Amino acid sequence: AQSVAQPEDQVNVAEGNPLTVKCTYSVSGNPYLFWYVQYPNRGLQFLLKYITGDNLVKGSYGFEAEFNKSQTSFHLKKPSALVSDSALYFCAVRDSRGSTLGRLYFGRGTQLTVWP
Amino acid sequence: NAGVTQTPKFRILKIGQSMTLQCTQDMNHNYMYWYRQDPGMGLKLIYYSVGAGITDKGEVPNGYNVSRSTTEDFPLRLELAAPSQTSVYFCASSPAYGGSIESEQYFGPGTRLTVT
Repeated sequence: AQSVAQPEDQVNVAEGNPLTVKCTYSVSGNPYLFWYVQYPNRGLQFLLKYITGDNLVKGSYGFEAEFNKSQTSFHLKKPSALVSDSALYFCAVRDSRGSTLGRLYFGRGTQLTVWP
Repeated sequence: NAGVTQTPKFRILKIGQSMTLQCTQDMNHNYMYWYRQDPGMGLKLIYYSVGAGITDKGEVPNGYNVSRSTTEDFPLRLELAAPSQTSVYFCASSPAYGGSIESEQYFGPGTRLTVT
């Protein structure tokens, strides 16, 4: 069965420091991986995705994510955090075998707090 | 484009009441989804639709119904509200390219529902 784990409920970093939000996944076929961000009282916004190709994927707002097939991970990173990056981050996965016509499986979310 | 819009933003229901959560998208997306978000639990898929007239159940469909008479609209119906349906509800849509496997989803701002 497809699943996503975000092992940290919270990540706290100082502004200007690099940040990492962790995600591991489990799928039967090849994974299609996504990161979304949710600001307070808002819907989820797409950040970036991995479909195929380079293991380092660049997305919106300076975020990037590294796909590691051997470790089944897709960690979100940013070289220099901003206070405005504080939000709830969700990792999501689809199985390439097309289960449930594009259905996404979400992790439980990681609250990122960047302090000044 | 307004994207995905949802109404109402907030609603309080008494146990046993019924209501319809409205969702409209103006991006001509074939795929539409309803999720519920409970604290610390990520998003769970309630129902989805791959086009007008076609709907199917997700992970947690009990207590809900949907219809899809047009490409734009995908309302979610709660027939007999229960406290367990207290949650934040998100509607999402995605285009059909790649069989929707590769496409990201676009989320509405959510409806916060309380059942007392």
